[in-house]
Amino acid sequence: EIVLTQSPGTLSLSPGERATLSCRASQSVSARYLAWYQQKPGQAPRLLIYDTSRRATGIPDRFSGGGSGTDFTLTISRLEAEDFAVYHCQQYLSSPWTFGQGTRVEI
Amino acid sequence: QVHLQESGPGLVKPSETLSLNCFVSGGSMSGHYWNWVRQSPGKGLEWIGFVHDSGTTSYKSSLKSRVTISVDRSNNSFSLRLTSVTAADTARYYCARDQGPGYGYSLDIWGQGTMVVVSS
Repeated sequence: EIVLTQSPGTLSLSPGERATLSCRASQSVSARYLAWYQQKPGQAPRLLIYDTSRRATGIPDRFSGGGSGTDFTLTISRLEAEDFAVYHCQQYLSSPWTFGQGTRVEI
Repeated sequence: QVHLQESGPGLVKPSETLSLNCFVSGGSMSGHYWNWVRQSPGKGLEWIGFVHDSGTTSYKSSLKSRVTISVDRSNNSFSLRLTSVTAADTARYYCARDQGPGYGYSLDIWGQGTMVVVSS
């Protein structure tokens, strides 16, 4: 199975700063098959980015995704208070689908 | 607007079977893969498996011997059955739909999740 490793585990930033989250795959994942989800306490995950760089419906443009092969990034250009949450990457190239362990973005 | 709602017992005894249902409202099940994902307290997300509306399934290898996911198109729902549970199966269980159409898409719609505790 494809193992996804996210870094850092926790990112401590202030509102207005830029956040860069990393997701590294144990083998190549086509750019078509990588997603990012946001999860706030007590809530279900919400799809942010799919196919590496496509924003899901209603997601503001301060969120962007990029990468290819085994290295992918989620960037939040200017953090707002509502962005402090846990972010998960997921690959859906080959079953079993797998998730990274998550990156917590905290104030 | 498609909405997913999980239901099932919140407490299951060790060695027994966990059974959850996910009701799909606001849209058709046709053409999509319907997934179960769980999250142990304080941990990351773990994909359990999916069922296609045709009945095709795929499961996580380590759970395959204990898991069955099935679809009930007449009731617009799908279900999860996990046998011989242990404390390690204590988690919040989410049902989720892939974007589709076809195989290999991200999960765009999620239920709110239901917490299941395995304890005697």
